[in-house]
Amino acid sequence: AQKVTQAQTEISVVEKEDVTLDCVYETRDTTYYLFWYKQPPSGELVFLIRRNSFDEQNEISGRYSWNFQKSTSSFNFTITASQVVDSAVYFCALSVDGGYQKVTFGTGTKLQVIP
Amino acid sequence: DTGVSQDPRHKITKRGQNVTFRCDPISEHNRLYWYRQTLGQGPEFLTYFQNEAQLEKSRLLSDRFSAERPKGSFSTLEIQRTEQGDSAMYLCASSRIEAQGGNEKLFFGSGTQLSVL
Repeated sequence: AQKVTQAQTEISVVEKEDVTLDCVYETRDTTYYLFWYKQPPSGELVFLIRRNSFDEQNEISGRYSWNFQKSTSSFNFTITASQVVDSAVYFCALSVDGGYQKVTFGTGTKLQVIP
Repeated sequence: DTGVSQDPRHKITKRGQNVTFRCDPISEHNRLYWYRQTLGQGPEFLTYFQNEAQLEKSRLLSDRFSAERPKGSFSTLEIQRTEQGDSAMYLCASSRIEAQGGNEKLFFGSGTQLSVL
């Protein structure tokens, strides 16, 4: 069975601050995929990143960066110089076959960026 | 450029009534998924279609739930004899898959918020 834990329920930061959203996962499979999705108030989930378990390189995309550490089963997400538009609920998710039928989502972290 | 469209955005119904939701995926997308999201939780998989074939259903999908994708384009999700526990956001997502593997990318709609009174 898979499990994704996002211990931070809500985070508030002031605009331009950096913020890290934590994600800890559990799985017995050696091959798996990790995802981050953003859900703005409009409701639709927006894909941010997919990472497979064999690729431990950290990734940076603009103000977003991801730190994947298999040793601690974590896949943390950092937003640098946060902006009001970053306010949303962010979900971490795990799939053991890369497909979306058996994907397990975390409970999400609500990020509020205060101007 | 149109994304995944869901109708209605909100539905309020009385317990025991039937409701039907519609999802129009992105054109040319051959896979279509339904998820349910309750307050404070992440989405949970319900079912998915590849073209018109329903390939998998979650145990969450009780006998009161039925989904169709008759022509491999739009899909409907019907809930019969609604219960208060059915209150949730129902999300639809679509993708274009051409090979097995982890390269599939889902595009989500904004969901239908169901409230059962």
